[in-house]
Amino acid sequence: EPEVTQTPSHQVTQMGQEVILRCVPISNHLYFYWYRQILGQKVEFLVSFYNNEISEKSEIFDDQFSVERPDGSNFTLKIRSTKLEDSAMYFCASSETSGSPLTQYFGPGTRLTVL
Amino acid sequence: SQQGEEDPQALSIQEGENATMNCSYKTSINNLQWYRQNSGRGLVHLILIRSNEREKHSGRLRVTLDTSKKSSSLLITASRAADTASYFCATLNTGGFKTIFGAGTRLFVKA
Repeated sequence: EPEVTQTPSHQVTQMGQEVILRCVPISNHLYFYWYRQILGQKVEFLVSFYNNEISEKSEIFDDQFSVERPDGSNFTLKIRSTKLEDSAMYFCASSETSGSPLTQYFGPGTRLTVL
Repeated sequence: SQQGEEDPQALSIQEGENATMNCSYKTSINNLQWYRQNSGRGLVHLILIRSNEREKHSGRLRVTLDTSKKSSSLLITASRAADTASYFCATLNTGGFKTIFGAGTRLFVKA
């Protein structure tokens, strides 16, 4: 069964460094998303992406964040200058369509630790 | 106000018992979904119920939806130790791009 994959599974970085989290969505999906989950808290929406542009973003997704689909298979989340509070699990998701009904398929996540 | 609040926050039961988790939401929805998350792992989609449906079954899962009360419940029958996980309800915003998750119920099934 096709699945969303993410790399790396765990990333440790120093505060102020740039990190790129990578995702390979399901191949025929057109909509891509990033979510994050701070330890013990809710899963929070960050951004959705369709047709090479951002469809919607949350207030968390500030100028430090960017997303890109550099080729036909990868979808990346870049954090330009990491802060301690960026430590979280980051989940990528993809879906065939948006709207209703919608099933987003989630990847296993990347655990980001900012020291 | 939060969209998709589950209760209880934590639930501990014996294997074989049924587990019921509830979710309340604030705004109008087109559908509501339940996800499972094993500790430190990704989210697994369990079931979607549309706003014009009242009940839906999938294996040992039964989901109900009451749009008048803006609430949903997830029942897991004959629970197993492998059902130990966090369970989240999630709703889709009006534009259809953002899934809003509740805080989740942590279920622990004792063998």
